[in-house]
Amino acid sequence: GNSVTQMEGPVTLSEEAFLTINCTYTATGYPSLFWYVQYPGEGLQLLLKATKADDKGSNKGFEATYRKETTSFHLEKGSVQVSDSAVYFCALGTGTASKLTFGTGTRLQVTL
Amino acid sequence: NAGVTQTPKFRILKIGQSMTLQCTQDMNHNYMYWYRQDPGMGLKLIYYSVGAGITDKGEVPNGYNVSRSTTEDFPLRLELAAPSQTSVYFCATGGGGLAGGLGTDTQYFGPGTRLTVL
Repeated sequence: GNSVTQMEGPVTLSEEAFLTINCTYTATGYPSLFWYVQYPGEGLQLLLKATKADDKGSNKGFEATYRKETTSFHLEKGSVQVSDSAVYFCALGTGTASKLTFGTGTRLQVTL
Repeated sequence: NAGVTQTPKFRILKIGQSMTLQCTQDMNHNYMYWYRQDPGMGLKLIYYSVGAGITDKGEVPNGYNVSRSTTEDFPLRLELAAPSQTSVYFCATGGGGLAGGLGTDTQYFGPGTRLTVL
């Protein structure tokens, strides 16, 4: 079956530090890949996505590239801000109903 | 537009009680989903619907029921609450458009319902 593995948190960084959150997946076929973010007390919202191999998704300074050869979709940001503190979920989507399979989430804490 | 709304925000149930979690959307999306989020875990799909009158099981459907009589509403029913159902429940919607291909649809999440079963 499909599965997503992402690095465990929490990840604690100082403001302006470089961020990488690793994500790898196992899937049959050709899934789409997503990063969703959950701010405290809120539901999830889409951060970025990529729908085919070698696509790069980007938004708000975050980037991730769909690497089919390494089955990975690592999230990066060059300079994090305190406002980026949240839980980040990697997910894959398959099928006509676009059902999502989520990783366990990585909590990011950014300090001044 | 309100997007995806869920009620209630919080609820405490006793073992064996029943309740319905409400989900309403004004995005005119065909697809709707129910997930549960346990502490330190990712979201697990409970049920989903691809349109009014059509529902299907997800990964963890046991102990739950759903119905979809309108495009806007997708209630989740717990018949006999158990402590294992203590979780945060999220409703989500998706346009279901296949223009981008299978599995490409973005989902839009409600704010969640925190349920405790004692």
